[in-house]
Amino acid sequence: GAGVSQSPSNKVTEKGKDVELRCDPISGHTALYWYRQSLGQGLEFLIYFQGNSAPDKSGLPSDRFSAERTGGSVSTLTIQRTQQEDSAVYLCASSLKALNGGAPETQYFGPGTRLLVL
Amino acid sequence: EDQVTQSPEALRLQEGESSSLNCSYTVSGLRGLFWYRQDPGKGPEFLFTLYSAGEEKEKERLKATLTKKESFLHITAPKPEDSATYLCAVRVTGGGNKLTFGTGTQLKVEL
Repeated sequence: GAGVSQSPSNKVTEKGKDVELRCDPISGHTALYWYRQSLGQGLEFLIYFQGNSAPDKSGLPSDRFSAERTGGSVSTLTIQRTQQEDSAVYLCASSLKALNGGAPETQYFGPGTRLLVL
Repeated sequence: EDQVTQSPEALRLQEGESSSLNCSYTVSGLRGLFWYRQDPGKGPEFLFTLYSAGEEKEKERLKATLTKKESFLHITAPKPEDSATYLCAVRVTGGGNKLTFGTGTQLKVEL
């Protein structure tokens, strides 16, 4: 079956512009995650969705970052007024329903969106 | 603060030369340790999940083990196609569902 898909695969933007990154999870996966991977850094958690709700937004670095999920499927990560330090690979992952306190479900990752802010 | 440290940062092996990658962790409570493989320009590909000390899992030339402080990814008789960055991540008690990643070990296997 199809894996996690992300678009665009690459995005070049100018400082101060807004960008939208899209994630299409594996069919049937109710949990969705956004991570950021900067050069030389490990993957950094941004936000987690269970269905359309985001119970954990603790990783969003500033109020310029927001995300939404509709229909329990596609998610969009929006970065407003982009800065050069936002340049990174943005990775989306999905899993079966993640139960707090239960065995952790495996997260499957998409190919990422490479964002370059000039 | 939960921490995951991987070593070495980079490793170069000859084809057939077995070795191990290390992932040490300091966490409040471990709910799962994950190994992923990442090829250049691609997203991480899931390899293994380990839940408790003493657990071992194998897949082809790879074997993952777990103790109370660290995990090892053993690579037996590696081939050039095993070249990739190997990432370790943990899910911790009270940490919700997020994964905390190490910075990875970049492995290159040469003929």
